[in-house]
Amino acid sequence: DTGVSQNPRHKITKRGQNVTFRCDPISEHNRLYWYRQTLGQGPEFLTYFQNEAQLEKSRLLSDRFSAERPKGSFSTLEIQRTEQGDSAMYLCASSVWGANEQFFGPGTRLTVL
Amino acid sequence: AQRVTQPEKLLSVFKGAPVELKCNYSYSGSPELFWYVQYSRQRLQLLLRHISRESIKGFTADLNKGETSFHLKKPFAQEEDSAMYYCALRDTGTASKLTFGTGTRLQVTL
Repeated sequence: DTGVSQNPRHKITKRGQNVTFRCDPISEHNRLYWYRQTLGQGPEFLTYFQNEAQLEKSRLLSDRFSAERPKGSFSTLEIQRTEQGDSAMYLCASSVWGANEQFFGPGTRLTVL
Repeated sequence: AQRVTQPEKLLSVFKGAPVELKCNYSYSGSPELFWYVQYSRQRLQLLLRHISRESIKGFTADLNKGETSFHLKKPFAQEEDSAMYYCALRDTGTASKLTFGTGTRLQVTL
């Protein structure tokens, strides 16, 4: 499968724990995006990278959230001290700079108990 | 701030009937508009974009800047069209993040 991949696909954690998600973009895609989707809503932008540089962060991304893309390939999204309100589907997408289409991964569903 | 509105959460039509999924946007700059679709148990994927002015799977969408709308249309619905449809907007300048609407579930029944 040469599409965007995300791991894990599901994560259940207790409130207060830290979690980390991984996204592997399509090879040669230099842009990588993170979105969050809650029930009944469309995906909401969190942050994006061009190569290893994080170019924009949404106000939704509180201090408990951090994202990295150290070598300009895969990316990780960490949530510290999780809260029940963090329960959502976390989507990753990638694209070539300048291209119209973003390719989405299957998402990681986070449940915070 | 950019905003996308999809007023219908659910649209139910009979097979062979015309379909129109509504999308309105607010944005002060020059937007690019997209329709993304998510079939059951599949990932979100691009259906069409206004720049291309193309027809995909029989669907078309015209950007109306005067009415700030980008409605998705198909003359004859098929069962396989049943899915979740999201309208999305992107700034042409930064060509970065997408702003999505809340989505409309299209249900095509026999």
